Amino acid sequence: EVQLVESGGGLVQPGGSLRLSCAASGFNIIGYSMNWVRQAPGKGPEWISYIASYSNNIQYGDSVAGRFTISRDNAKNSLYLQMNSLRDEDTAVYYCAADKNWAFEIWGQGAAVTVSS
Amino acid sequence: QSALTQPASVSGSPGQSITISCTGTSSDIGTYDLVSWYRQHPGEAPKVIIYGVNKRPSGVSDRFSGSKSGNTASLTISGLLPEDEADYFCCSHAGSSNYWVFGGGTKLTVL
Repeated sequence: EVQLVESGGGLVQPGGSLRLSCAASGFNIIGYSMNWVRQAPGKGPEWISYIASYSNNIQYGDSVAGRFTISRDNAKNSLYLQMNSLRDEDTAVYYCAADKNWAFEIWGQGAAVTVSS
Repeated sequence: QSALTQPASVSGSPGQSITISCTGTSSDIGTYDLVSWYRQHPGEAPKVIIYGVNKRPSGVSDRFSGSKSGNTASLTISGLLPEDEADYFCCSHAGSSNYWVFGGGTKLTVL
């Protein structure tokens, strides 16, 4: 079965850090660009970061640039998101998503991140 | 506030057709034929139903169709079924400045 499984979410205080992981199974991520997309409660999705197949192109949304770092390990078939200097407004469900044909073809089930004191 | 503008809600009766609009700018929808649409049921992850403006992934019903004119993209669902009741989001590539932008979502109610 083709799937992505996120882990590492949880409750963190403002200013704190978290590292999300996304493990792929049933397919090889090397054939895909990978992204992190978040969705705050009751809101539309927000794209936050992109990484090309060989990590030679990395992009960030304005809301997370300078605070979040995306990386991937193709040998481990995994994607990561290091989140630093977390703010209240970073509270959301974080999805990893594999894109091909310029669309998010495969989504994980999401990892909840709550930033609160 | 989302970068792409969608109506908050639409409704239709079983068997009817509905269209959801998605308005962007000349920096995203107006420039790139890279509009995709996603359906999301409560508590689930989004699922792609249209990519490249009007292409359907394998396994997606031909009741779903997409189009684009200028800075506005549209999703049409024909022959509404009860299971079509969900949230629908549009997405467009936006170049190197903001890469991908989403709409705020449209809640479809099948009456």
